Amino acid sequence: EAGVAQSPRYKIIEKRQSVAFWCNPISGHATLYWYQQILGQGPKLLIQFQNNGVVDDSQLPKDRFSAERLKGVDSTLKIQPAKLEDSAVYLCASSFNAPGQGVYEQFFGPGTRLTVL
Amino acid sequence: GDSVTQMEGPVTLSEEAFLTINCTYTATGYPSLFWYVQYPGEGLQLLLKATKADDKGSNKGFEATYRKETTSFHLEKGSVQVSDSAVYFCALSSGGYQKVTFGTGTKLQVIP
Repeated sequence: EAGVAQSPRYKIIEKRQSVAFWCNPISGHATLYWYQQILGQGPKLLIQFQNNGVVDDSQLPKDRFSAERLKGVDSTLKIQPAKLEDSAVYLCASSFNAPGQGVYEQFFGPGTRLTVL
Repeated sequence: GDSVTQMEGPVTLSEEAFLTINCTYTATGYPSLFWYVQYPGEGLQLLLKATKADDKGSNKGFEATYRKETTSFHLEKGSVQVSDSAVYFCALSSGGYQKVTFGTGTKLQVIP
């Protein structure tokens, strides 16, 4: 079974530039998550999709971050414009779970390490 | 909102020592609890989980018991190995869509 794929693995940009990250979840997983992990901290949920609908984006800085999951499969996360404090690893995860169907494991991708100069 | 507090690291132990990493949580309702592990150079992966009070999760010699009365989910292992060196994250999920909240992580270093 293929895992969660992310690209690129590394990205270096200057502040005020824009950047996009791509995620391909495990086939059949309805739920997709984007997390931001700043060095020395735990992952922080940015946005959670159930199929192609957003179920939680309460911690997404909507003035600069956007995400979409077209057709309920792949997803992209965009930052425009980037700030220095956006330097972090951006993790994508997916899980099988649907509401009321129990608790399923999240499978994480390798992450994209973003450096904003 | 929900939160997870874990002991700060790094934790340095000799091989075969006993390990405890403390984790406490705050949540509404009845969350599910998890320990995730991140080995050097690898992605996060689930180590164990417990979905209701008094459940014990176990895997690879690690154990954690869901204690509702103390809102805790401490990770233990009787005899650590060098290969257990990693960062360990305590987490909870709650709500109909199982939103996950992570702790800050505890780095474990096991020396021979």
